[in-house]
Amino acid sequence: GAVVSQHPSRVICKSGTSVKIECRSLDFQATTMFWYRQFPKQSLMLMATSNEGSKATYEQGVEKDKFLINHASLTLSTLTVTSAHPEDSSFYICSAASGSTLNTEAFFGQGTRLTVV
Amino acid sequence: AQSVTQLDSHVSVSEGTPVLLRCNYSSSYSPSLFWYVQHPNKGLQLLLKYTSAATLVKGINGFEAEFKKSETSFHLTKPSAHMSDAAEYFCVVRDNYGQNFVFGPGTRLSVLP
Repeated sequence: GAVVSQHPSRVICKSGTSVKIECRSLDFQATTMFWYRQFPKQSLMLMATSNEGSKATYEQGVEKDKFLINHASLTLSTLTVTSAHPEDSSFYICSAASGSTLNTEAFFGQGTRLTVV
Repeated sequence: AQSVTQLDSHVSVSEGTPVLLRCNYSSSYSPSLFWYVQHPNKGLQLLLKYTSAATLVKGINGFEAEFKKSETSFHLTKPSAHMSDAAEYFCVVRDNYGQNFVFGPGTRLSVLP
């Protein structure tokens, strides 16, 4: 299957700093990328959907100024957690889909474990 | 709106015995349905998908799932569990507009020796 690379896999940052997480589709063009947050022992919560070249669509309750998403190319999307606080500590996962047809599955990155101290 | 229900938060089976992970969905139209597996602190791997072709779908690692429209179900099965199957399993439906993937709450599968 297609490969989605997410980097870094782990990051520890100080409270108040910003962290950028990259999500790359390595062997296909990702027209749509999704960013999820996963709390321990819980399901994935969709944060936002981004289409290449346009602004991301954020889910209700997700602060767009805190979680900045950029999808500048068909192979790269970034999530920047601005002014991070301990409550932002979580597992963040990106996924990418090559089309909007129903039979297109999403390919997932390995996830990023963010710890804010 | 789409939604997914996974009836069991935790399933425990003995190695070599059958696995059944239940999933029910709601959708206004014929959906696409997926099963993903997640090992601890890892991303998600696609096991199989249903996209309106054959209702019995075979996936990787011996897993299969049957789409039953009348029951709005897409249960995941495997004839014989292996220790390496222990993981979290998510049933996912893709909505009518082909954008979002809606996740079920997940079922944790434990395999006992």
